[in-house]
Amino acid sequence: EAGVAQSPRYKIIEKRQSVAFWCNPISGHATLYWYQQILGQGPKLLIQFQNNGVVDDSQLPKDRFSAERLKGVDSTLKIQPAKLEDSAVYLCASSPLGGRNSPLHFGNGTRLTVT
Amino acid sequence: DQQVKQNSPSLSVQEGRISILNCDYTNSMFDYFLWYKKYPAEGPTFLISISSIKDKNEDGRFTVFLNKSAKHLSLHIVPSQPGDSAVYFCAATNAGNNRKLIWGLGTSLAVNP
Repeated sequence: EAGVAQSPRYKIIEKRQSVAFWCNPISGHATLYWYQQILGQGPKLLIQFQNNGVVDDSQLPKDRFSAERLKGVDSTLKIQPAKLEDSAVYLCASSPLGGRNSPLHFGNGTRLTVT
Repeated sequence: DQQVKQNSPSLSVQEGRISILNCDYTNSMFDYFLWYKKYPAEGPTFLISISSIKDKNEDGRFTVFLNKSAKHLSLHIVPSQPGDSAVYFCAATNAGNNRKLIWGLGTSLAVNP
């Protein structure tokens, strides 16, 4: 099966600019996650979708971050405006369901550098 | 507040020997634990998991042990191979937090030929 696809792989922007990341999950996976991973830390959940509905966005900085999954398939994550501390790898993951017996499948991530 | 702790940032092991990666947790409500492996420039890959009703789960060269009274789990890799060199993340979850994964900071394993 094809894996989780993410683009772009790398992005360099200046602070206060905006940026968008795209994710296409594994076909048939109902649950989609966006994680932020800062160097030397574990992944931090930003938002979880079940189909096209939001399950958890408690750690999403909503003043600057937004995400959507309009048709319950692919998803975009946007940052506007970006800050220096947003420099991180943004990982998208999907799973068939949302339960504990449904391990996450991760994409290779987008490495964002904010200068 | 780090609920899942991996106190060893790095570990170096000789090929063929055993690698033991440790993980401690503070939340007694966690009931499911997972290990993920991450190579550079790739996303984490699921490795093995264990439910709190068990104390051991084995999959080939990988075994996870859970000690609930000590709130401690460990991942054993036997025998270690150079291809096992990666960052290993411990993660935990429970039904009460909507099954959100709580991650450790990771341990970088180097298996030397």
